[in-house]
Amino acid sequence: RKEVEQDPGPFNVPEGATVAFNCTYSNSASQSFFWYRQDCRKEPKLLMSVYSSGNEDGRFTAQLNRASQYISLLIRDSKLSDSATYLCVVNPGSYKLSFGAGTTVTVRA
Amino acid sequence: DADVTQTPRNRITKTGKRIMLECSQTKGHDRMYWYRQDPGLGLRLIYYSFDVKDINKGEISDGYSVSRQAQAKFSLSLESAIPNQTALYFCATSGETSGSANEQFFGPGTRLTVL
Repeated sequence: RKEVEQDPGPFNVPEGATVAFNCTYSNSASQSFFWYRQDCRKEPKLLMSVYSSGNEDGRFTAQLNRASQYISLLIRDSKLSDSATYLCVVNPGSYKLSFGAGTTVTVRA
Repeated sequence: DADVTQTPRNRITKTGKRIMLECSQTKGHDRMYWYRQDPGLGLRLIYYSFDVKDINKGEISDGYSVSRQAQAKFSLSLESAIPNQTALYFCATSGETSGSANEQFFGPGTRLTVL
């Protein structure tokens, strides 16, 4: 079983729509969680950390459900510039980050 | 200027050749990492280094070696390249004082093709 699993998508949504997707992780001892964004053929960049109580950063909302071992990302009022692959990243408590394969979002005009 | 740089950005080579990918950073971070990314798979850790005298294998180190020449430089070598090492390779850094405790900063990647 992969440490971090994501629906690859693609999620194809119109501008202004809301899109949400989850990832699941296998290690119940995982301590910290992140969403990274990766544009086509570019390097991943941190989008936001995910806190236990859930957190927002502008149009982005992240939630953590430890009991069910999943993390979610919701994007409101989608922009064309939100088109990217979103990587779910989990830290199991050491130096190591475990990366999901990514969920691709395409926002169309 | 980019904080993490990688050279070359693209490389095509033949089976059996020795290849070196280089990474430099100006962030002053102690921790450096090498990953590979393949379609449909997450980034997989090849090697990591927490300081100049520290080198550790990641989950897929077979067929690779590394050298930490200085705090700012971490190179990855493929001793005898094979076609299934065709991938996108990323170098990353992190520091203990990063705003997000485990945030890693990535270089632009090296696209390697082994024929």
